[in-house]
Amino acid sequence: GAVVSQHPSRVICKSGTSVKIECRSLDFQATTMFWYRQFPKQSLMLMATSNEGSKATYEQGVEKDKFLINHASLTLSTLTVTSAHPEDSSFYICSARDPSIAGVYEQYFGPGTRLTVT
Amino acid sequence: GDSVTQMEGPVTLSEEAFLTINCTYTATGYPSLFWYVQYPGEGLQLLLKATKADDKGSNKGFEATYRKETTSFHLEKGSVQVSDSAVYFCALTRGAQKLVFGQGTRLTINP
Repeated sequence: GAVVSQHPSRVICKSGTSVKIECRSLDFQATTMFWYRQFPKQSLMLMATSNEGSKATYEQGVEKDKFLINHASLTLSTLTVTSAHPEDSSFYICSARDPSIAGVYEQYFGPGTRLTVT
Repeated sequence: GDSVTQMEGPVTLSEEAFLTINCTYTATGYPSLFWYVQYPGEGLQLLLKATKADDKGSNKGFEATYRKETTSFHLEKGSVQVSDSAVYFCALTRGAQKLVFGQGTRLTINP
């Protein structure tokens, strides 16, 4: 149980275009999902916390207008990188928490999406 | 604020060696502690967890004990395999708040 998927696994886009990444909880309903960014050989940097039916909470320094997050259902959150630039190239990982298990707070991670902006 | 500090890598060991990756934390209250593993090109997988003092988490031969007196959660394995090569992250969370990660430790096991 507790499987999280991401799509696509890899994407290459041209500078100035937008790209959408999907994160799905496959066997549980996730009221809260998280989006991380990971640079090579570094730890994960939390970008935002996504709550179903409400606006995402962004971490300090993350541009809300550039990284659009939508959590329209209990099993799907999307991250849209708008007007992408080469410096947005990175590994993006989502995670979800299963609220049905009381007192358990681990997050289940997706396999990640490698974004390359040319 | 809350923080997690891991031993710096990279760590390189021979197969069947004993592994310890140190992790200490700073947090108020009683956080839950986790070890996650990341294989090349993949997301993170939960390796083990502990939710209260003196709890021992274990999985796939790995163990870690929640030591509140030393604010530590060191990861150990008695005999490592080549397939254990990965990056290991120590993390904590307090209740339903966000995960706080250590910087990660890259482990390479040579045959």
